[in-house]
Amino acid sequence: DQQVKQNSPSLSVQEGRISILNCDYTNSMFDYFLWYKKYPAEGPTFLISISSIKDKNEDGRFTVFLNKSAKHLSLHIVPSQPGDSAVYFCGGSSNTGKLIFGQGTTLQVKP
Amino acid sequence: DTGVSQNPRHKITKRGQNVTFRCDPISEHNRLYWYRQTLGQGPEFLTYFQNEAQLEKSRLLSDRFSAERPKGSFSTLEIQRTEQGDSAMYLCASSPTGRDNEQYFGPGTRLTVT
Repeated sequence: DQQVKQNSPSLSVQEGRISILNCDYTNSMFDYFLWYKKYPAEGPTFLISISSIKDKNEDGRFTVFLNKSAKHLSLHIVPSQPGDSAVYFCGGSSNTGKLIFGQGTTLQVKP
Repeated sequence: DTGVSQNPRHKITKRGQNVTFRCDPISEHNRLYWYRQTLGQGPEFLTYFQNEAQLEKSRLLSDRFSAERPKGSFSTLEIQRTEQGDSAMYLCASSPTGRDNEQYFGPGTRLTVT
C-alpha cells in the first residue's frame, strides 16, 4: 500500500525555466506534507513543507501547492538552477511525525 | 559540525553476521527516527524514539532488528543474522521538540550483505 506516489522517476529542464514535480497521496490523515532534496552520498535535506489546512506555501524560488480534493501536491522551482539537480522526495506526516515518502523524482537542470 | 552523524558510513558483512549502527542526533533533539532506503525507493520508516522511549515500530522491523536509545541521546540499530535483503542505506534523523516535521537526516550507513 503506497500512501505517497511520485509517478515521474525523472525530469529534465533547462536552466532558468520552471521545474514542476508532482506527488499524489492516498492517506487523508496526513497533516503535513514535505519536500526533501537528496544529493548523492548525503542524507535527504528538508526543503519546504505545507500544512494540510493550506493550499500554498512559498519560500524563495520554491513553492508547494496542495490540492486536497485531488490528493495531489506539487513543487514548483522558479527559476531552476543547475545546483537544483538532485533527487526530490515528497512525504506526508501524521501526528507522530514519522514521514511516509514517495519513490523520488530525479531532477536534472541543464545549463 | 552539529548535524546528525552516523557510523560507520559503509559496512560490508557476510550473511548471518550481526551488525550494529550508531546515530548521534543533533544535540537536544528529543525525537530520533530510523529509516531504510533501497535503490529507487524513498526512505521507509522503521522506528522512532522520543527521548529514550521507543514509541513506534514499523512492521518492516522484523525480530532480527532492534533499536535502542539508552540515555535519550545517541541510538543504535542492530541487525542480527543478516540476510541479503537487508542490504540498504540506513538513515537516521532527528527533530526538535514540537517540530516533528523538521527532520534532519544524517548521511546514512550503507550496508552490503554478501
